[in-house]
Amino acid sequence: KAGVTQTPRYLIKTRGQQVTLSCSPISGHRSVSWYQQTPGQGLQFLFEYFSETQRNKGNFPGRFSGRQFSNSRSEMNVSTLELGDSALYLCASIGAGNTEAFFGQGTRLTVV
Amino acid sequence: GENVEQHPSTLSVQEGDSAVIKCTYSDSASNYFPWYKQELGKRPQLIIDIRSNVGEKKDQRIAVTLNKTAKHFSLHITETQPEDSAVYFCAAREGGSYIPTFGRGTSLIVHP
Repeated sequence: KAGVTQTPRYLIKTRGQQVTLSCSPISGHRSVSWYQQTPGQGLQFLFEYFSETQRNKGNFPGRFSGRQFSNSRSEMNVSTLELGDSALYLCASIGAGNTEAFFGQGTRLTVV
Repeated sequence: GENVEQHPSTLSVQEGDSAVIKCTYSDSASNYFPWYKQELGKRPQLIIDIRSNVGEKKDQRIAVTLNKTAKHFSLHITETQPEDSAVYFCAAREGGSYIPTFGRGTSLIVHP
């Protein structure tokens, strides 16, 4: 069974630009969550999608958005990038009745 | 919402020593407590978890204890080895949610 796949692995963007990150969950998993990881701040929850609907949202500004497609693949978008958005962005998928969150390798975003 | 505090942020031990990481949570409705290990440059992976109807769980050199009354839980690693060096995250999840709330992580360094 293939794991959670995130693309791209690395990105360098300029302040003010926008970026789109992609996450393909484990086959059959309908819940996809996104996290921002920075040194000292741990894993901060961005949002969760389930069956194409945003079910939960963390405390991030509206510049951070996401969506989920009918095949459960999810994208997150960050508009008007700021230097502070530099981080590792992780997505995780959870299957029905399953408690374990399976993480992708992450996308390392650097804003210059 | 749930709030998870994790201590210490950094833990340095000698090979063969024991290591203890402690977490507290705020939401008494939380009933699932996973621990994730993230090696350098890799994705977080579940190493052990415990449910609120259990006080302790062991898996070889690692164990987790839970005190529901005090709302705290701990990870214990015995006979530490250099390959135990990683960042460890505790998390708490309320029963009706798919979303765990993570602590800020503990960087464990095991010196040979």
